[in-house]
Amino acid sequence: GNSVTQMEGPVTLSEEAFLTINCTYTATGYPSLFWYVQYPGEGLQLLLKATKADDKGSNKGFEATYRKETTSFHLEKGSVQVSDSAVYFCALQGAQKLVFGQGTRLTINP
Amino acid sequence: GAVVSQHPSWVICKSGTSVKIECRSLDFQATTMFWYRQFPKQSLMLMATSNEGSKATYEQGVEKDKFLINHASLTLSTLTVTSAHPEDSSFYICSAVSGVPETQYFGPGTRLLVL
Repeated sequence: GNSVTQMEGPVTLSEEAFLTINCTYTATGYPSLFWYVQYPGEGLQLLLKATKADDKGSNKGFEATYRKETTSFHLEKGSVQVSDSAVYFCALQGAQKLVFGQGTRLTINP
Repeated sequence: GAVVSQHPSWVICKSGTSVKIECRSLDFQATTMFWYRQFPKQSLMLMATSNEGSKATYEQGVEKDKFLINHASLTLSTLTVTSAHPEDSSFYICSAVSGVPETQYFGPGTRLLVL
């Protein structure tokens, strides 16, 4: 079945550091891939998405490229801010249902 | 666009009572909505798929008689936790599907505490 594996957290960085959160997936067919962000006490917000191989999703300085050859969708940001502190979920969508990774908690220190 | 609301945002109830949570798509119509449950520091667990005008489809292990889902219109789905017990305390999140290709947009969640 479909599955998503994220790098284990928590991840702690200093402000303006480079961020990478790894995400790999196992799926049949050609799923869409997503990154969602959850701030404390809130629901999930769609951060970015990619629907086919080699697509790059981007939003708010975050980027992720759909790599079919490595079945990966790593999240990157060149310079993080304190306000980026949150939990990040990688997900794939097959047949309408979302399958989530376990989430990576990110803390950015000033 | 694609805003989803939930009401209430949090609720405290006594054991044995029923609690209704509403999920609304504010600026789009959604034939399909999803209900998730999230325990502290864990990922989201899909409970059921709610389809407008038909019965919900429940995931394995989710009691349909305990978690009643009604999707009466294209903008509203409700989840009723019947005879709630402390182990039902959790964060319940809904999502609604919109766009091509389809994307799920999430509500802000409802925190339920059963005493």
